[in-house]
Amino acid sequence: GDSVTQMEGPVTLSEEAFLTINCTYTATGYPSLFWYVQYPGEGLQLLLKATKADDKGSNKGFEATYRKETTSFHLEKGSVQVSDSAVYFCALNAGGTSYGKLTFGQGTILTVHP
Amino acid sequence: DTAVSQTPKYLVTQMGNDKSIKCEQNLGHDTMYWYKQDSKKFLKIMFSYNNKELIINETVPNRFSPKSPDKAHLNLHINSLELGDSAVYFCASSQAVGSTYEQYFGPGTRLTVT
Repeated sequence: GDSVTQMEGPVTLSEEAFLTINCTYTATGYPSLFWYVQYPGEGLQLLLKATKADDKGSNKGFEATYRKETTSFHLEKGSVQVSDSAVYFCALNAGGTSYGKLTFGQGTILTVHP
Repeated sequence: DTAVSQTPKYLVTQMGNDKSIKCEQNLGHDTMYWYKQDSKKFLKIMFSYNNKELIINETVPNRFSPKSPDKAHLNLHINSLELGDSAVYFCASSQAVGSTYEQYFGPGTRLTVT
């Protein structure tokens, strides 16, 4: 079945550090890939998405490129801020008979210190 | 202004009770979902409705019964609550069924069963 694997957390960084959160997936067909962010006590917000191979999603300084050859969708940001502290989820939507179901990775807790 | 809303935000109840969680979206979307987030932050789909019809029913105990009175509402009723039902339940919606449509999440309902 479909699955998403994220790097183990938690990740702790100093402000202005470079961030990478690894995400790899297993799916049949051609899934769409998403990064969602969950701030403390809140629901999930879409951070960025990519719907086909080699697409790059970007938002708020975050980027991720859909790499079909390595089945990866790693999240990067060049300079993190304290306000980026949150839980980050990689997810896929396989389409077809999955009827829109999102399959999530286990989440990565990011803490940014001043 | 809230796109996807859930009530209540917190729900504390005793084992064996029956409770309901309500969800409403004002985005004009056709598809709605229920996800469960466990204590380790892992998110898993429970149900999905498209135009008031059930299209996803993951291996969820039949004590859980979703109901969609119209396209804008998806409620979750839980009978005979158990300790293991304690979790955060998220409602989400998307414009349609398909891999490219992003899902918009509600703020979550934290259910605690004692």
